[in-house]
Amino acid sequence: EAGVVQSPRYKIIEKKQPVAFWCNPISGHNTLYWYRQNLGQGPELLIRYENEEAVDDSQLPKDRFSAERLKGVDSTLKIQPAELGDSAVYLCASSSRRDRTTYEQYFGPGTRLTVT
Amino acid sequence: GQNIDQPTEMTATEGAIVQINCTYQTSGFNGLFWYQQHAGEAPTFLSYNVLDGLEEKGRFSSFLSRSKGYSYLLLKELQMKDSASYLCAVREGNAGNMLTFGGGTRLMVKP
Repeated sequence: EAGVVQSPRYKIIEKKQPVAFWCNPISGHNTLYWYRQNLGQGPELLIRYENEEAVDDSQLPKDRFSAERLKGVDSTLKIQPAELGDSAVYLCASSSRRDRTTYEQYFGPGTRLTVT
Repeated sequence: GQNIDQPTEMTATEGAIVQINCTYQTSGFNGLFWYQQHAGEAPTFLSYNVLDGLEEKGRFSSFLSRSKGYSYLLLKELQMKDSASYLCAVREGNAGNMLTFGGGTRLMVKP
């Protein structure tokens, strides 16, 4: 079974430029998460989707960040315009309600963003 | 909100045992996870505790005391490949499947 797929793996952009990250969750996983992880810190949740509905986006900086999961499968996270402080690893994760014991989250490899 | 504390770094010797502690404060506890993350890679699931006690899985064990807001991850027979960051994450009962992560403990295993 394929894991969570993310692209690109690395991205370097200049400040004020736009950038987009793509995530394809594990097949059948209805819940999708976007996290941001700064160097030496734990992941911080940006947004959580249940199917195509964003059910928690309280930590998403809405002035410059946007996300979508139109068909309830893959998702895109966008930053426009990027700032120096946005440099981080952006992780995507998914989970399934069928895993009733733990609702374990499976993580993708992440996109390492560097804003110069 | 939640507050999750774990040591920033630890060093141990190959073949030894190491215990990584995690303390938390939460308004509605509904489970604690430990994840392992090698540098530049995705976090991978290690263990899940929702009831008090010890969960053993091979060389790794995880303990939970809900009354004390305390958990630890125990790694036995350390190997060089165990050098990684270990993330403690707490799920709140009223927040769906939202996890709040601690800052992670970077473990260095030396020969």
